[in-house]
Amino acid sequence: KQEVTQIPAALSVPEGENLVLNCSFTDSAIYNLQWFRQDPGKGLTSLLLIQSSQREQTSGRLNASLDKSSGRSTLYIAASQPGDSATYLCAVSCKTGANNLFFGTGTRLTVIP
Amino acid sequence: KAGVTQTPRYLIKTRGQQVTLSCSPISGHRSVSWYQQTPGQGLQFLFEYFSETQRNKGNFPGRFSGRQFSNSRSEMNVSTLELGDSALYLCASSLGAGGHNMIYNEQFFGPGTRLTVL
Repeated sequence: KQEVTQIPAALSVPEGENLVLNCSFTDSAIYNLQWFRQDPGKGLTSLLLIQSSQREQTSGRLNASLDKSSGRSTLYIAASQPGDSATYLCAVSCKTGANNLFFGTGTRLTVIP
Repeated sequence: KAGVTQTPRYLIKTRGQQVTLSCSPISGHRSVSWYQQTPGQGLQFLFEYFSETQRNKGNFPGRFSGRQFSNSRSEMNVSTLELGDSALYLCASSLGAGGHNMIYNEQFFGPGTRLTVL
């Protein structure tokens, strides 16, 4: 069974810092990996999706990388802002054509003004 | 383009009752997946529907069921509610058919239905 781990569980940084969130998964036979953010009590907002054949994706200040063979992904946030404060979740899909996502437990990020 | 909508947003039920939650996907999306989120277990997959057929199912008891209509709207039902069913229930939609085109795989989530079982 696929297991997804995110480290650290919580992170506090001062505004303006660059930071990296980590995600690891046990079964490298993934189809894609998606990063989400979740604000308290809210649903999930999709940030980036990386197909298994890709190495990275970028959107604005966000860059996600994928190393499928080692079972790792990182989400890099440049020049962090207080509005980036949220829980960040990574999720992997393991079956072609299916949308069963396995989620990590998330990293709670606080950006201090 | 409207996002994924879920109704109701909040529900309070008592043990033994049943509940039905509704999800309307993004227009044009044919896949709807349901997830349960609790502080202890995190986000767990319940089931996925595509073109009115259940395509995949997670490891939940038979009290949890769902269906999808011809307009892609989906409902999930929980019968004989237990205290442990208290959770945020999220649905997600995608274009759905999979394949190698990335736009078919990205999932978009609704705001969730907060269910409290007393």
